[in-house]
Amino acid sequence: QLVLTQSPSASASLGASVKLTCTLSSGHSSYAIAWHQQQPEKGPRYLMKLNSDGSHSKGDGIPDRFSGSSSGAERYLTISSLQSEDEADYYCQTWGTGIYVVFGGGTKLTVL
Amino acid sequence: EVQLVQSGAEVKKPGESLKISCKGSGYSFTSYWIGWVRQMPGKGLEWMGIIYPGDSDTRYSPSFQGQVTISADKSISTAYLQWSSLKASDTAMYYCARNSIAARVHNWFDPWGQGTLVTVSS
Repeated sequence: QLVLTQSPSASASLGASVKLTCTLSSGHSSYAIAWHQQQPEKGPRYLMKLNSDGSHSKGDGIPDRFSGSSSGAERYLTISSLQSEDEADYYCQTWGTGIYVVFGGGTKLTVL
Repeated sequence: EVQLVQSGAEVKKPGESLKISCKGSGYSFTSYWIGWVRQMPGKGLEWMGIIYPGDSDTRYSPSFQGQVTISADKSISTAYLQWSSLKASDTAMYYCARNSIAARVHNWFDPWGQGTLVTVSS
């Protein structure tokens, strides 16, 4: 079964960096994912598509502070030079034949 | 600019019917799958289903099959999500989102609509 696992929460200081993790279930380590950001009281926004080899393509207007990387079944979203507006929920999404769309449970990022 | 604009917030009573909409612009509406996503208060994103407006091919999440109906009117570039009999547990924010790659059902969402809040209360 295709499942995405995310830590419920993370925190980091203003100006620092943070690395969020999305883990693919066993047998699905080759899958690409997408990262989405949901700021408080707003709809989700696409950040990037991230492949298993770590290559990624970002959405329009997404700052260079946002980057992605991969290792095995783990997909990472790194945000550097954290700003207050980065405080948001971050969701990973994947897709597969007959499954169509799967979301992770989301990580709530607090900027201290 | 590619945009999805959703209809406004709704307040309904249990048992009532409802149809919310999602209008696409800035791209070929018939060429991209559009999905619907539920977000219950304080919770995460749940995929409900997806439709290809070109031929109205529709797929549902098993969790929502039979609970909602997804449709599209390509003449006005609008997708719909409807309920025949609402329950209090349908209270949630509902988002539409377009698939990123034309004609492919399996890919990621980009962009998203702004959301429609549905409140069901007696």
